[in-house]
Amino acid sequence: GAVVSQHPSRVICKSGTSVKIECRSLDFQATTMFWYRQFPKKSLMLMATSNEGSKATYEQGVEKDKFLINHASLTLSTLTVTSAHPEDSSFYICSARDRIASTYEQYFGPGTRLTVT
Amino acid sequence: KNQVEQSPQSLIILEGKNCTLQCNYTVSPFSNLRWYKQDTGRGPVSLTIMTFSENTKSNGRYTATLDADTKQSSLHITASQLSDSASYICVVTKYNFNKFYFGSGTKLNVKP
Repeated sequence: GAVVSQHPSRVICKSGTSVKIECRSLDFQATTMFWYRQFPKKSLMLMATSNEGSKATYEQGVEKDKFLINHASLTLSTLTVTSAHPEDSSFYICSARDRIASTYEQYFGPGTRLTVT
Repeated sequence: KNQVEQSPQSLIILEGKNCTLQCNYTVSPFSNLRWYKQDTGRGPVSLTIMTFSENTKSNGRYTATLDADTKQSSLHITASQLSDSASYICVVTKYNFNKFYFGSGTKLNVKP
């Protein structure tokens, strides 16, 4: 099946610093990638939809200047958490949609655990 | 309002037993419904996907059903194993939209 990777899997950073998370589709091209945030014991919350070559579309309540998304190629999207604060600590998951697949299948990455101290 | 509701919120069963998880949705127009398994600290993995015309679909010990008229789906797990302990998430896609609606998940704990 299609594989989506995320890097890093875990990151600890100090308050005020920025952290970049990468999401890659390894064996398919993804014109659309999605970024989710998941709080403990809660389901995934869509943050933004990332389209290759254009600006990301953010969900209501998600600060675009806080969470910078860059979808530079058909296989890579990055999420940068700028000036991180402890409340940004969370599990971040990306997913990618196969450009060619006829179904609206999305493949999830393994997630990145961010801890801001 | 487009919503996906799952029940129960959590479930504990003994190894070898069967269980059924429920998903009700109001998403319209409907495109497809997926069940995902999410292990703790990992991303969700797709178990089944069903479109409007499909009533049932199996993937090993997992069998999903869909009643598009009543907007209900279930995921039946047969002969549960310890490795089935995870969260199971129901996700509904709206027709012709690039948007997915997530249920809050059912946390399943299989005990020996």
